[in-house]
Amino acid sequence: EVQLVESGGGLVQPGGSLRLSCAASGFGFGGNWMSWVRQAPGKGPEWVASIKEDGSEKYYADSVKGRFTISRDNARNSMYLQMNSLRVEDTALYHCATHRGRGFGYWGQGTLVTVSS
Amino acid sequence: QSALTQPPSASGSPGQSVTISCTGTSSDIGAYDYVSWYQQHPGKAPKLMIYEVAKRPSGVPDRFSGSKSANTASLTVSGLQAEDEADYYCSSYSGTKHHVFGTGTKVTVL
Repeated sequence: EVQLVESGGGLVQPGGSLRLSCAASGFGFGGNWMSWVRQAPGKGPEWVASIKEDGSEKYYADSVKGRFTISRDNARNSMYLQMNSLRVEDTALYHCATHRGRGFGYWGQGTLVTVSS
Repeated sequence: QSALTQPPSASGSPGQSVTISCTGTSSDIGAYDYVSWYQQHPGKAPKLMIYEVAKRPSGVPDRFSGSKSANTASLTVSGLQAEDEADYYCSSYSGTKHHVFGTGTKVTVL
């Protein structure tokens, strides 16, 4: 059974930093593109970033480019999202997700990031 | 990248069909056959229902079907059941490994 478990969310002030983690199990993590997708309260999903199987390619939404960094450790079946210079508008539930046909196959339950003073 | 446009709501009685549209541009839906649809129940993570316009992952009932014409994709749910009541989102590949989601449609089973 595929499991994706996010952690690392919390309350942070504007301008602060957080590092999210995604622990994967139940599938060949190292052979899959992975992504972070966020969902602001009461809103639809928004793609944040994607990373290739071996970590050699990384892509970001314009809204987070230059502030967020996606990475992965295939030996630990884990993916990360380093978030710097956080803004109020970054407040959301952050999901990690596998890829399926250039969409998103399996999603974790998410970790909540709240940016507020 | 602007969000794909979906109607805010749709409804149908049990056993009926409902179709949800998802309108994009020639840079996303119109350019690629990489439209996906997700079902989201309150407090739950989204679940993939359709990928690559019309393919169903294993375990998704064949009551769910997808199609695309030009810049608009559609999801049809036939034989509506109570458990189909949920929010539905579309997404499309938009080039250079970027993705865009729809605004979401709340489906109500009357």
